[in-house]
Amino acid sequence: EAQVTQNPRYLITVTGKKLTVTCSQNMNHEYMSWYRQDPGLGLRQIYYSMNVEVTDKGDVPEGYKVSRKEKRNFPLILESPSPNQTSLYFCASSLQGRYTEAFFGQGTRLTVV
Amino acid sequence: ELKVEQNPLFLSMQEGKNYTIYCNYSTTSDRLYWYRQDPGKSLESLFVLLSNGAVKQEGRLMASLDTKARLSTLHITAAVHDLSATYFCAVDNKGGSEKLVFGKGTKLTVNP
Repeated sequence: EAQVTQNPRYLITVTGKKLTVTCSQNMNHEYMSWYRQDPGLGLRQIYYSMNVEVTDKGDVPEGYKVSRKEKRNFPLILESPSPNQTSLYFCASSLQGRYTEAFFGQGTRLTVV
Repeated sequence: ELKVEQNPLFLSMQEGKNYTIYCNYSTTSDRLYWYRQDPGKSLESLFVLLSNGAVKQEGRLMASLDTKARLSTLHITAAVHDLSATYFCAVDNKGGSEKLVFGKGTKLTVNP
């Protein structure tokens, strides 16, 4: 089954403790991206990647890192999480970023206390 | 900077009625996407609009794109309860980058 898989689905952590949210897709998609969703703000793009070893900032990249060492994986790293990073995070992939629909993962609800 | 505005943000309608959700954007683009999100769920792609004048229909939903007016519409015909969800439009940031900018979403509630 074609899918985008995020882990974990739920995470509560403390300020400053490094964490990684994994994202994997099995559709051989080139384009992957991370979004955060906050009430009243909609979805905002954090980082995106057009292919292996090619990443770029979205609209809200501060406090986040990403890597794309393999086509299927695109982990989101929070080196030193802060409470303002409490949010619902979505990973998405698409065959070609600009011309095709994106497939979204199930989301990761992160709480930083 | 690309900005995307959706109107209305909240919409409560009766079953059987028609309504339109609007998506305006601020800079030139000819690629626009509509997504649906059910409560507590992920986003599901509805439509991909890739040129001026594009129109796509799926069931009771029809989306169109007017790139000259920088406007897309999502028209709901004879609404049913199952259409209750939040609808997002997203616009490609044309001009080199692959950024995608989402509107804030329209929460649609269809009442019996």
